[in-house]
Amino acid sequence: ILNVEQSPQSLHVQEGDSTNFTCSFPSSNFYALHWYRWETAKSPEALFVMTLNGDEKKKGRISATLNTKEGYSYLYIKGSQPEDSATYLCAFGVNRDDKIIFGKGTRLHILP
Amino acid sequence: GAGVSQSPSNKVTEKGKDVELRCDPISGHTALYWYRQRLGQGLEFLIYFQGNSAPDKSGLPSDRFSAERTGESVSTLTIQRTQQEDSAVYLCASSLVGFRGLDQPQHFGDGTRLSIL
Repeated sequence: ILNVEQSPQSLHVQEGDSTNFTCSFPSSNFYALHWYRWETAKSPEALFVMTLNGDEKKKGRISATLNTKEGYSYLYIKGSQPEDSATYLCAFGVNRDDKIIFGKGTRLHILP
Repeated sequence: GAGVSQSPSNKVTEKGKDVELRCDPISGHTALYWYRQRLGQGLEFLIYFQGNSAPDKSGLPSDRFSAERTGESVSTLTIQRTQQEDSAVYLCASSLVGFRGLDQPQHFGDGTRLSIL
């Protein structure tokens, strides 16, 4: 059974601090790794899609790295702001199937 | 419209009834996905369409679930003889096809909240 694990499950961060969290996925049958931000009462919004080992992507204060050999991706947020409060989902695209498997997310709360 | 549109936004029905959920993807997006999120759970992949064909239907939780897509546009997810465990938010997403659709960002609709009494 293919499983995507995200840690921590929940995180409280002081406004202005930087933070990061992890997505772990099977290193075999890798095709792509997605990150999404899901704010309350909204639909998930795509942040990054990465396909190559060593990929690094950046969007404003948010960046992500990918290690396909060891099966993990990190999402970094620099200088957290209240609008960063959301659930961050990662999803693993499986090479042998046409499936995408989502983790349960990391719920980030930014404290003023 | 500019985004993925789902209808209805909310549906309450009695156990045993059939329901049909609709998804209008972004124009030009040939890949379409259905997910569900049950209370306290993560996003569960149900099915993926490339054009109007679904290469893999094994994510559908039971044979009461079926999905169709007309051309490269609207998709419907049908649940027959609904059960209480079918209560969930059903999300649809679309993307450009890329290579097998897995390497393109997905654009999500607002979901249909289904409640089975």
